Amino acid sequence: DQQVKQNSPSLSVQEGRISILNCDYTNSMFDYFLWYKKYPAEGPTFLISISSIKDKNEDGRFTVFLNKSAKHLSLHIVPSQPGDSAVYFCAASVPGAGSYQLTFGKGTKLSVIP
Amino acid sequence: ETGVTQSPTHLIKTRGQQVTLRCSSQSGHNTVSWYQQALGQGPQFIFQYYREEENGRGNFPPRFSGLQFPNYSSELNVNALELDDSALYLCASSPQTGRSSGANVLTFGAGSRLTVL
Repeated sequence: DQQVKQNSPSLSVQEGRISILNCDYTNSMFDYFLWYKKYPAEGPTFLISISSIKDKNEDGRFTVFLNKSAKHLSLHIVPSQPGDSAVYFCAASVPGAGSYQLTFGKGTKLSVIP
Repeated sequence: ETGVTQSPTHLIKTRGQQVTLRCSSQSGHNTVSWYQQALGQGPQFIFQYYREEENGRGNFPPRFSGLQFPNYSSELNVNALELDDSALYLCASSPQTGRSSGANVLTFGAGSRLTVL
């Protein structure tokens, strides 16, 4: 049973345009959500996060939106740059002792075309 | 500030063998987690160590075991290797903070790619 779902395996976007990556979850106990970016031959690197008490968090070109009623979050990248080409993982955690245990989606491969 | 380093980067084993993977956590981090990433999948939580004790475990059998040392480095051991154990094994470290801080950002290493033949 996949608790975090990224239904789009890949996404292609023109440089300068907006990239929107989507993530759905089923576990209503999740209280913290994170996005990680992974380049080939490197480990995932933290990008941005959001607590369940918020509906938006922004960091430079990156904005994460959370819709708790729909159990949906999205990552917006504006403007997209070729260096943003990577696999993006959505992850979530529950409170308590498991707060360091992240549940990941399968990832979305973003290609930004120059 | 050094990041998370893992060794070896690649290795090949045969079914039934045992493997040990190593991880040095980022300076200042005292919590280590291990994840398995199979091809085409997201990382899956194996277990986490804090103060040299297992502090959480995912849905993995007992043949997956680990250690954390006083310097916060860690090992992942897998016994009786199976073909499905072929994957990228990621180590991640984090600073131990209050549970409610939400500061559960993990710093990952580049991983050890294990192939079981």
